[in-house]
Amino acid sequence: AQKITQTQPGMFVQEKEAVTLDCTYDTSDQSYGLFWYKQPSSGEMIFLIYQGSYDEQNATEGRYSLNFQKARKSANLVISASQLGDSAMYFCAMKRGDWPRMGGNMLTFGGGTRLMVKP
Amino acid sequence: DGGITQSPKYLFRKEGQNVTLSCEQNLNHDAMYWYRQDPGQGLRLIYYSQIVNDFQKGDIAEGYSVSREKKESFPLTVTSAQKNPTAFYLCASMTGFGTEAFFGQGTRLTVV
Repeated sequence: AQKITQTQPGMFVQEKEAVTLDCTYDTSDQSYGLFWYKQPSSGEMIFLIYQGSYDEQNATEGRYSLNFQKARKSANLVISASQLGDSAMYFCAMKRGDWPRMGGNMLTFGGGTRLMVKP
Repeated sequence: DGGITQSPKYLFRKEGQNVTLSCEQNLNHDAMYWYRQDPGQGLRLIYYSQIVNDFQKGDIAEGYSVSREKKESFPLTVTSAQKNPTAFYLCASMTGFGTEAFFGQGTRLTVV
């Protein structure tokens, strides 16, 4: 069974500083994908970044980068130059398979980390 | 613009009632999903569908039912058998290569 663990229930970061949100995962699959989502207080889920298990380079999207360490089964999210609008819940998620597969590309989510950016 | 529309945004249910949450997408995605989120928790999978007229149970399907008669629509019914339905419900669809899942704005269901 797949499992995602986010060990930081809440974190503070000073505006304009970088912050790392931790995510570890457990799977026996050789092929899988990892996602990070942002959930502001409005409740919507905003896609941030995706990393496939066979991708050799760490994914980056603007101020977001994913520090993928396959051997350690970790997929930490790094947010550079934090902004007040980054205050939200952040979820790490994993899907089985790095390509379309029968049985569905269901996502398994971690418990989330609440990030609070201080001015 | 393409996206996923969930309605209503807020829903109140009396004890013993069935209620149906709507989810419509115009992204032309085959795969659609329903998740439940309790306060301060992550998302848990209720049902998913990969193709029209086919759907599968997720981790917490008891007390819920779905249908997939059209590619664009994946409604969720919360039945009276669901003993603790108060939660935030999110509908999602996924691209063919599974590299991005799009979510609706969610429906907040409260039992009164």
